[in-house]
Amino acid sequence: TQLLEQSPQFLSIQEGENLTVYCNSSSVFSSLQWYRQEPGEGPVLLVTVVTGGEVKKLKRLTFQFGDARKDSSLHITAAQPGDTGLYLCAGALSSGTYKYIFGTGTRLKVLA
Amino acid sequence: NAGVTQTPKFQVLKTGQSMTLQCAQDMNHNSMYWYRQDPGMGLRLIYYSASEGTTDKGEVPNGYNVSRLNKREFSLRLESAAPSQTSVYFCASIGRQGYSNQPQHFGDGTRLSIL
Repeated sequence: TQLLEQSPQFLSIQEGENLTVYCNSSSVFSSLQWYRQEPGEGPVLLVTVVTGGEVKKLKRLTFQFGDARKDSSLHITAAQPGDTGLYLCAGALSSGTYKYIFGTGTRLKVLA
Repeated sequence: NAGVTQTPKFQVLKTGQSMTLQCAQDMNHNSMYWYRQDPGMGLRLIYYSASEGTTDKGEVPNGYNVSRLNKREFSLRLESAAPSQTSVYFCASIGRQGYSNQPQHFGDGTRLSIL
């Protein structure tokens, strides 16, 4: 059972455009992580959000955790070809858990 | 800076064959994980080991077994491979027990095809 749905599944945009990726669930998470994965490699952590309503910025990337801690979004401003990759969200169902549920992934391609 | 090392990187098996995927981390991490990644499915947890000496089932454990050999190594075994197990397998580790905001460190994956 997939608890985390990401949208869109695929996104192809021109360099300089803005985009938002969504990660939604009916479950409450104690924390939520965003990863980026490049072909032939494992996912690499971008950010962790812990508090409901929390907003974190990483250069041109803005991450938000929903107030109810059931959803999150990733917004990229002025996308660049280097942003191309698979973006994955992952949620922890409780603070003491060792288990993480991954989203279905959003494959982003930024065209020069 | 090795981090998490997975071997082999690629493998082709025939249906019914067995094999073991190896994973080792050099970061002195307590918890280790095995995931499989299939198109449109994200990563699904197969098994995990919260600490040395313990293992637990994840979302999709059927057809797999694991061994936490020591703190560094966590192996995944397919006893009788099936075409449905064709996937990319990732091993990951986390440093601090019970802290869900810790990053998972991933290996580069094992690409497994079952014919």
